[in-house]
Amino acid sequence: EPEVTQTPSHQVTQMGQEVILRCVPISNHLYFYWYRQILGQKVEFLVSFYNNEISEKSEIFDDQFSVERPDGSNFTLKIRSTKLEDSAMYFCASSDAAGLLSNIQYFGAGTRLSVL
Amino acid sequence: SQQGEEDPQALSIQEGENATMNCSYKTSINNLQWYRQNSGRGLVHLILIRSNEREKHSGRLRVTLDTSKKSSSLLITASRAADTASYFCATDEEGSNYKLTFGKGTLLTVNP
Repeated sequence: EPEVTQTPSHQVTQMGQEVILRCVPISNHLYFYWYRQILGQKVEFLVSFYNNEISEKSEIFDDQFSVERPDGSNFTLKIRSTKLEDSAMYFCASSDAAGLLSNIQYFGAGTRLSVL
Repeated sequence: SQQGEEDPQALSIQEGENATMNCSYKTSINNLQWYRQNSGRGLVHLILIRSNEREKHSGRLRVTLDTSKKSSSLLITASRAADTASYFCATDEEGSNYKLTFGKGTLLTVNP
């Protein structure tokens, strides 16, 4: 069964460093998303991406964050200068439809980011 | 309560019993979904109910939606130890075709 894959599973970085989290969405999907979950808290939407541009973003997704689809298969989230509060589990998701038709999103297993 | 707020926060039952989790939300929605998350893992879609539907079944799952009360419930019948997980409702809000807004979730423990 097709699945969303994320690498690495765990990333440890120093405060102020740049990190890139990688995702391979399901191959025929067109919509891509990043969410994060701080330990013990709810899953929060960061950004959605469609047709090579950001469709929607949350207040969390400030100038320190960027997303890219560098080729036909990868979808990346970059954090330019990490802060302690960026420590969280980051989930990538993809879907093949949005809006009224369906917005079932398929999630990867996540990347745990630890900022020291 | 916040958008997609579930209750109870934690629920512990015996195998074979039914588990009911509730979710409330604030805005108008296109649909509401329930996801499951095993500890430290990703979210798995369980079931979607559209705003014009009132009830939906899938296997041992039954979801209801009351848009007048802005609430939903997820019933898992004949629970199994393998159902132990966190369950989240997620809303797809009108005017936003992309993001899902999740609640804090209900941690369900099914004791063998």
